[in-house]
Amino acid sequence: QVQLRESGPRLLKPSETLSLTCTVSGASIKTFYWSWIRQAPGKGLEWIGYIYDSGTTNYNPSLRSRVTISVDTTKSQVSLNLTSVTAADTAVYFCARAYGIAVAGLRFDNWGQGARATVSS
Amino acid sequence: SYVLTQPPSVSVAPGNTASITCGGDNIASKSVHWYQQKPGQAPVLVIYYDTDRPSGIPERISGSNFGNTATLTISRVEVGDEADYYCQVWDSSSESVLFGGGTKLIVL
Repeated sequence: QVQLRESGPRLLKPSETLSLTCTVSGASIKTFYWSWIRQAPGKGLEWIGYIYDSGTTNYNPSLRSRVTISVDTTKSQVSLNLTSVTAADTAVYFCARAYGIAVAGLRFDNWGQGARATVSS
Repeated sequence: SYVLTQPPSVSVAPGNTASITCGGDNIASKSVHWYQQKPGQAPVLVIYYDTDRPSGIPERISGSNFGNTATLTISRVEVGDEADYYCQVWDSSSESVLFGGGTKLIVL
């Protein structure tokens, strides 16, 4: 059974860097696409980006300049760094496994419980 | 850029059928996936590749995708189906994952 658990500091000030970690169990971190998705309070889902093959990344164009997703295969962890945060980055951040025969068919079949991050001065 | 359009809410009485639409230009040319999200919980994949159900999803949940509209259909709606539903595609032009804005299913 695949399990994902997000962790990391939850309260940030504007201009700081949000750093979250997703610990994966029950699946090889080298085999699948791993993604971060966020949801602002009362809003819909927003894809942040993915990583696969332990290093190839793709990011949402609207966040690309501030986002880095990386993998630590020795710890089976996927990390998210989001720089220069503002109040607009306040959201629940989900880690999810993406699965598909090709990138055009990617869907998210396993999700973490989410980590709420709040940006406030 | 590609846009997915969902109605903000759909209301249905228990036992009836609910249809939740996801509109997009020639969406039938894309693979559409659907998620159910209950309050305070992570989303759950309920339909993938337009019509396929993951294991554990009941047969009364189905999907279709024709022309400019993909549809999630829930038959014999139960109170427990009340949730937000999101459609999702891959947009090759922007090389991005896109979600629809979400539809709140209200079971009256």
